[in-house]
Amino acid sequence: GQQVMQIPQYQHVQEGEDFTTYCNSSTTLSNIQWYKQRPGGHPVFLIQLVKSGEVKKQKRLTFQFGEAKKNSSLHITATQTTDVGTYFCADTKPDSWGKLQFGAGTQVVVTP
Amino acid sequence: EPEVTQTPSHQVTQMGQEVILRCVPISNHLYFYWYRQILGQKVEFLVSFYNNEISEKSEIFDDQFSVERPDGSNFTLKIRSTKLEDSAMYFCASSPFEFPAGQKVEKLFFGSGTQLSVL
Repeated sequence: GQQVMQIPQYQHVQEGEDFTTYCNSSTTLSNIQWYKQRPGGHPVFLIQLVKSGEVKKQKRLTFQFGEAKKNSSLHITATQTTDVGTYFCADTKPDSWGKLQFGAGTQVVVTP
Repeated sequence: EPEVTQTPSHQVTQMGQEVILRCVPISNHLYFYWYRQILGQKVEFLVSFYNNEISEKSEIFDDQFSVERPDGSNFTLKIRSTKLEDSAMYFCASSPFEFPAGQKVEKLFFGSGTQLSVL
């Protein structure tokens, strides 16, 4: 089946720096969602992207959906310690509801 | 803000035993799910439930697993004859049925999970 690949697997970031995590697929994605999971916590919905080339911002977070809908990225500016956690992208299916295929996630560690 | 609640937070069981994981989805949500996450791995879909029946299930969700909505608020996952490889964090989730501006948005709300350890 379709695999959603995320890179990097780990990201160590100095507080105040920017970083980007990527989500790639060999086939066209339906919609892409991003979730954040704090250490020991549960996934929390961040955003859903639908349209080719779509860009959405949430404060310091910028989400993009590729023109071919085969990749997506999450860019965080001026990283804070509260950004610690694992960021997952998830592909949705057009003919189902809530059956998400998660990527392996990018684990982010922030150094003060 | 409404939350999905799960009990227990931790469950330890002997291999071969049956366990029931319990969830109370958000009250006005229509879709309910079980996902699991083996330590350090990605979140995996198990089953979705809508209108009192299973909507979809993954290859993981075999005859060992069953779900039930015994009343108007609870949603349970039963695992029969547990195996060592069933050890994982099991997340319940629910979602409303939303089409803002004609676009479906499958926003899942996850509970805090039940950590199942099979010994």
